[in-house]
Amino acid sequence: GAVVSQHPSRVICKSGTSVKIECRSLDFQATTMFWYRQFPKKSLMLMATSNEGSKATYEQGVEKDKFLINHASLTLSTLTVTSAHPEDSSFYICSAHGTLHYGYTFGSGTRLTVV
Amino acid sequence: DAKTTQPTSMDCAEGRAANLPCNHSTISGNEYVYWYRQIHSQGPQYIIHGLKNNETNEMASLIITEDRKSSTLILPHATLRDTAVYYCIAGDVGGSRLTFGEGTQLTVNP
Repeated sequence: GAVVSQHPSRVICKSGTSVKIECRSLDFQATTMFWYRQFPKKSLMLMATSNEGSKATYEQGVEKDKFLINHASLTLSTLTVTSAHPEDSSFYICSAHGTLHYGYTFGSGTRLTVV
Repeated sequence: DAKTTQPTSMDCAEGRAANLPCNHSTISGNEYVYWYRQIHSQGPQYIIHGLKNNETNEMASLIITEDRKSSTLILPHATLRDTAVYYCIAGDVGGSRLTFGEGTQLTVNP
């Protein structure tokens, strides 16, 4: 089945630094990737949608300069949290959709803690 | 993308069938009904999806009403490991944005 690998699974960083999270589709080409954020005991909140080779579409209220998304290839998307602050601490999850299957496959998530 | 409504929580006895309802009255003709579940601190796991017809796989069955305004996910023999938050989502096959509702916390009791 379709597999999406997300790394790192956990990261702790200092305030003011940037953190990059990778999302890879291992056995299919992901024409569209999605990035979500999840707070404790809450549902997943869609942050942005990215299509390979084009700029990401951000949801209302999501700062595009803070959450940089790159989808340079059909198997890799990255989310960079720039100048991280403690309020950026959260669980970030990616998802990928390909042309050869009808489902959306999710990564295992990244727990970001900003200290 | 159509909004979905699910009960906040449900309980089920181990070994019994768990029936999780979902309302999606505004679903459009090209939107599938997807079910995912999320165990604490993990990414959502795909369960099943369908368009019009009932579907069954090794994990669950999906019953969609004829008017497609609601559906039921059936876990035929729930185990303790099925305790999770279950999300019902309407999404089109073209890969457009997939938004989550609040889901149902299913607790399987021994």
